[in-house]
Amino acid sequence: IAGITQAPTSQILAAGRRMTLRCTQDMRHNAMYWYRQDLGLGLRLIHYSNTAGTTGKGEVPDGYSVSRANTDDFPLTLASAVPSQTSVYFCASSVDSQVDEQFFGPGTRLTVL
Amino acid sequence: RKEVEQDPGPFNVPEGATVAFNCTYSNSASQSFFWYRQDCRKEPKLLMSVYSSGNEDGRFTAQLNRASQYISLLIRDSKLSDSATYLCVVETGGFKTIFGAGTRLFVKA
Repeated sequence: IAGITQAPTSQILAAGRRMTLRCTQDMRHNAMYWYRQDLGLGLRLIHYSNTAGTTGKGEVPDGYSVSRANTDDFPLTLASAVPSQTSVYFCASSVDSQVDEQFFGPGTRLTVL
Repeated sequence: RKEVEQDPGPFNVPEGATVAFNCTYSNSASQSFFWYRQDCRKEPKLLMSVYSSGNEDGRFTAQLNRASQYISLLIRDSKLSDSATYLCVVETGGFKTIFGAGTRLFVKA
């Protein structure tokens, strides 16, 4: 793989179900991010990780959790999905911080019914 | 007031036109600024960073106005392939950034 990948590409999920969105990068970047993008609101940061083993909350963290067990992987989990979590989710990475160029994955379209 | 604001557009321009977008920001201490481009149903990609003295990359020119707290993106000789959404990104302190909602551009033949 080259760059950053996400899985699944799209998903329809029943409310109340648990879901994990996967993100993997092969650029050895220290920092990784999860954003959601909604019409008219732009990209909003959910959680971030500045280095393996550490995570932090972004602008809209409620209902989501992340882990960073190694440099390459940064999964996002919805413990109990709700319809307001219907969105396009982008994972991104950068060398060290958000002021470095951020490289984005292709996104996951999630619909919660 | 939002931290970063952009005119959502859409801007509809003919090929060959010059078009400019502005993006205003509220944090006067912001130091780093960027323009990203996002094609329809695709991921954002860095277009260019914005430097204090202004910078140019081919047909694209980025400017920073600290006094009025806005950045601008000028596209000259617009191409059909320039049709996209342009996202303004502003550093908010602590090496963190915030994205604007984007300005949509349609270039027509």
